[in-house]
Amino acid sequence: DVKVTQSSRYLVKRTGEKVFLECVQDMDHENMFWYRQDPGLGLRLIYFSYDVKMKEKGDIPEGYSVSREKKERFSLILESASTNQTSMYLCASSLTYGGGNQPQHFGDGTRLSIL
Amino acid sequence: AQRVTQPEKLLSVFKGAPVELKCNYSYSGSPELFWYVQYSRQRLQLLLRHISRESIKGFTADLNKGETSFHLKKPFAQEEDSAMYYCALSNAGGTSYGKLTFGQGTILTVHP
Repeated sequence: DVKVTQSSRYLVKRTGEKVFLECVQDMDHENMFWYRQDPGLGLRLIYFSYDVKMKEKGDIPEGYSVSREKKERFSLILESASTNQTSMYLCASSLTYGGGNQPQHFGDGTRLSIL
Repeated sequence: AQRVTQPEKLLSVFKGAPVELKCNYSYSGSPELFWYVQYSRQRLQLLLRHISRESIKGFTADLNKGETSFHLKKPFAQEEDSAMYYCALSNAGGTSYGKLTFGQGTILTVHP
């Protein structure tokens, strides 16, 4: 069974801090994704990565960056946290197989509060 | 640009009643559609995908390209179906690395 692990379930930080959210998957998946989940807005893609050191912007990348130095780990970085970044953050991974779309596997989420 | 719309934020039915969660999409290419579900205190997980054409937990969904819809249906709802449901779309060509566009989500509540 695929395991996607996010380092923290709950995190409280202050405005202006640099925040790191970590995600690790154990199934050798090529693709990894970071979303934020907000009521009434659904899931919105922040960044994704299709290979080590490769990254692409999603729909709402402003204020965020990412790092993928190893295949199993994908980090989301809030360069200078702001209150409007208070949200639930979900990490996901998927396999690239046969040119088709494989299901994404999600972590439990990190509920981040910026004070 | 691709877009997924779930018009109902909340949907309530009684146990044993039929349920339909609506999903409409706009996409100029060839779409692949999914339904994901999140039960209380559990992680988001895949429920079904249109190319599988299978029934999962009694749910089915048919892709209607003419109406650009992918509605999720179940003839007899159960209390354990209560959850948040998301419709999602991807490029069927697989050139987008499996990137998904999600709808806003529908919270389904099944009353006893």
